[in-house]
Amino acid sequence: EAQVTQNPRYLITVTGKKLTVTCSQNMNHEYMSWYRQDPGLGLRQIYYSMNVEVTDKGDVPEGYKVSRKEKRNFPLILESPSPNQTSLYFCASRPGGFTDTQYFGPGTRLTVL
Amino acid sequence: SQQGEEDPQALSIQEGENATMNCSYKTSINNLQWYRQNSGRGLVHLILIRSNEREKHSGRLRVTLDTSKKSSSLLITASRAADTASYFCATVSSGGYNKLIFGAGTRLAVHP
Repeated sequence: EAQVTQNPRYLITVTGKKLTVTCSQNMNHEYMSWYRQDPGLGLRQIYYSMNVEVTDKGDVPEGYKVSRKEKRNFPLILESPSPNQTSLYFCASRPGGFTDTQYFGPGTRLTVL
Repeated sequence: SQQGEEDPQALSIQEGENATMNCSYKTSINNLQWYRQNSGRGLVHLILIRSNEREKHSGRLRVTLDTSKKSSSLLITASRAADTASYFCATVSSGGYNKLIFGAGTRLAVHP
């Protein structure tokens, strides 16, 4: 089944404790991105990657890192999480073109205490 | 930055009624997309309309695009309780091909 998977789905952590949210897609998509969703703000893009070893900042990159060593994986790293990073996070992928459908993962609900 | 702004923020209707949601945006676009999100879950792509298209249909969905007014509407006909969800418009700017910019969404509740 074609899908984007994220792990973990739920995470409660404490300020400053490094964490990684994994994202994997099995559709051989070139383009992957991370969003965060906060009430009243819709989805905001954190980082995106157009292909392996090519990443760039989205609208709200501060406090996040990403890497794209393999085409299928695009982990989101929070080196020192803070409470304002409490949010619902989505990974997404699409084949490449900007008119392509974007496929979203199920989401990761992160709480930073 | 938010590009799309949905209206209304929330909509409550009875099964069988039509639901109309509107989206306004600020800059020139290449295409506009509508997504659906069930509570707390991932977004599902519904329909994409290109800037040179005015109307598009998919099942019970009808999307219109008015580039002169920088607005789009999503019509769901003969709504069902299962249509209860949040609906988001997202735009790809003419010059910014690398990201979708989402609005804050419309929460639709369809009552049996």
